[in-house]
Amino acid sequence: NAGVTQTPKFQVLKTGQSMTLQCAQDMNHEYMSWYRQDPGMGLRLIHYSVGAGITDQGEVPNGYNVSRSTTEDFPLRLLSAAPSQTSVYFCATTRDEYTEAFFGQGTRLTVV
Amino acid sequence: DQQVKQNSPSLSVQEGRISILNCDYTNSMFDYFLWYKKYPAEGPTFLISISSIKDKNEDGRFTVFLNKSAKHLSLHIVPSQPGDSAVYFCAANEKLTFGTGTRLTIIP
Repeated sequence: NAGVTQTPKFQVLKTGQSMTLQCAQDMNHEYMSWYRQDPGMGLRLIHYSVGAGITDQGEVPNGYNVSRSTTEDFPLRLLSAAPSQTSVYFCATTRDEYTEAFFGQGTRLTVV
Repeated sequence: DQQVKQNSPSLSVQEGRISILNCDYTNSMFDYFLWYKKYPAEGPTFLISISSIKDKNEDGRFTVFLNKSAKHLSLHIVPSQPGDSAVYFCAANEKLTFGTGTRLTIIP
């Protein structure tokens, strides 16, 4: 039982490149979210999904795209990487709004 | 606009004493609050939660207090142990909105 799996763990991109951060969960949870963590800023919500086929924007959605075609997977796409997107990214899943979220180990992304 | 605020970026406490971490929120629609603990290079892990219909929830050494009129919650850890050294985030359930975190250091 892996819980929430994020890949890759580390990534270096050049400005303008695109990539997809993967998130997979085996907990059969409906809710999935992407956060970025920056020093002094806490965890800021990028995009979230309350079920397959349903996504919505969070606090900092610009430059990122998501889709949710299955319950298990919630990939985060960087369309054209910028240095401001250098951050640690976390994927999380939760059963509903009244239970705890489970987080992946994070992806450390550096854009040069 | 930060809806969940942790105004103390860091806190140092002697081992064995009580650690008190504070959190304020602005959105009165929040009705469920959670505390998470985060070690370096790991994802946050759930610690304790509280519903807005309660004013206290206890789990072992951890107690969370909620003051709805003041829109304030606090996490008490007693006694504090060296393994408690971590960054603590409070969160509210709407879109799981997080505070900025407090780094707790327990001094042996």
